[in-house]
Amino acid sequence: SSELTQDPAVSVALGQTVRITCQGDSLRTFYASWYQQKPGQAPVLVIFGKNNRPSGIPDRFSGSSSGNTASLTITGAQAEDEADYYCNSRDTSNNHVVFGGGTKLTVL
Amino acid sequence: QVQLVQSGAEVKTPGSSVKVSCKASGGTFSSYAFSWVRQAPGQGLEWMGGIIPIFRTTNYAQKFQDRVSITTDESTSTAYMELRSLRSEDTAVYYCAREKEAILDYWGPGTVVTVSS
Repeated sequence: SSELTQDPAVSVALGQTVRITCQGDSLRTFYASWYQQKPGQAPVLVIFGKNNRPSGIPDRFSGSSSGNTASLTITGAQAEDEADYYCNSRDTSNNHVVFGGGTKLTVL
Repeated sequence: QVQLVQSGAEVKTPGSSVKVSCKASGGTFSSYAFSWVRQAPGQGLEWMGGIIPIFRTTNYAQKFQDRVSITTDESTSTAYMELRSLRSEDTAVYYCAREKEAILDYWGPGTVVTVSS
C-alpha cells in the first residue's frame, strides 16, 4: 500500500513563511489535500487539488507539488495557525484514502 | 451549508460492537462518498473505509476489513459505521467525512468510543 511521509514537527516565527511537506509515490499521480487540526477539534480542509482553498480559508495558505512531494506553504504565519497538519491522497494500488502521519506546527 | 451530525459518545466492553451514525444535511447525500476516519489518543488520522451511497459500494482499509461495516440509509441521509470485536486499541475518536476523490471536505465533530473492561 502507498504511504505518505511528513516531518513530525516544524516551527516558524510569527509572521514568517513555513513549508510543510508530504512525500509519497501516490503524489506522482494524485494531488494531495491538506487538513488543519487544532486540539479537541475535527480536521478542517485547507487545500485541495492543484492549489485550491475552500471558502473561508485565508489566502496565506497555498499548496504546490513536484514529483513525489506535495507542500503546504503558510506565508506570514499567525498564532492561530499553530496546529497539526495532515496531508492525504489516494493509494494508486487500491483506490483507498491514505493519510500522512501529521506535522505539528509551532508558531514562535 | 453541509453539516454532519454524529451520535454520542460510547463506552464498550472488549469483544462487543459499536455502531456510530452520521446524519448529513445541506447537501445531496447520494452525490458523494462518505469516509470514516479514526484518531486514537495522541495519534494521527487513520482511514477506515468509505461508501458511495448511490451505488452502495464500500471500500475498507485492509486493517479493518474483517471487523467493520459501513452502510447508509438514504431515506434519512445517514451513514453508519459498525466496528465489531472491539479491543482496547479501538479507543479513539471516530469521524465521518464527506468525500470526493479522496478530498474530505466536510467532517463531523467526532464520536468518542472508549473500550474498557
